[in-house]
Amino acid sequence: QKEVEQDPGPLSVPEGAIVSLNCTYSNSAFQYFMWYRQYSRKGPELLMYTYSSGNKEDGRFTAQVDKSSKYISLFIRDSQPSDSATYLCAFFSGGYNKLIFGAGTRLAVHP
Amino acid sequence: DTAVSQTPKYLVTQMGNDKSIKCEQNLGHDTMYWYKQDSKKFLKIMFSYNNKELIINETVPNRFSPKSPDKAHLNLHINSLELGDSAVYFCASSQGGSESPLHFGNGTRLTVT
Repeated sequence: QKEVEQDPGPLSVPEGAIVSLNCTYSNSAFQYFMWYRQYSRKGPELLMYTYSSGNKEDGRFTAQVDKSSKYISLFIRDSQPSDSATYLCAFFSGGYNKLIFGAGTRLAVHP
Repeated sequence: DTAVSQTPKYLVTQMGNDKSIKCEQNLGHDTMYWYKQDSKKFLKIMFSYNNKELIINETVPNRFSPKSPDKAHLNLHINSLELGDSAVYFCASSQGGSESPLHFGNGTRLTVT
């Protein structure tokens, strides 16, 4: 079983739609949960960061963590064409900063 | 005033050659990393340095040798390049501590022919 599972997509939605992106993980040692956004030919940039179960909101973005189910989600409200990118979930397992990434979900928001 | 910068941006070379990629960060971070992103966009850690000391080495072939002359710089030297080394290599840095997020450069696209 892979440590992190993330549907690679692609996911295509119309502008204004609510987008739901998900990852499951198997390692109970994961303590910190992140979402990175990567535009084409750019490096990943941190979008959301949380360490507890529950929801965290930042503008149009909401990160949700369910540690008991080992499941994290990213919701994007009122999606825009500028949100078109690859979204990567990422996890820290404690100790030194070893960040484990999901495979990334490619999102396309069309006008 | 790019936070994490890598050079070169593109590198095309032939099998068997030796090449280097340089990385610099101006964030004052203590920890730097090399990640490899393959053609399927999967990002995998290769090395991590904390204050010039190697702390993570993820079963990377000996042909890959990182070097950190100071905590703001981390270079990657690759000997005897192989076709399978073709990928995008990302440098990253973090503040240190077990939960500090990583800040990435824009990558070096290496193509081995």
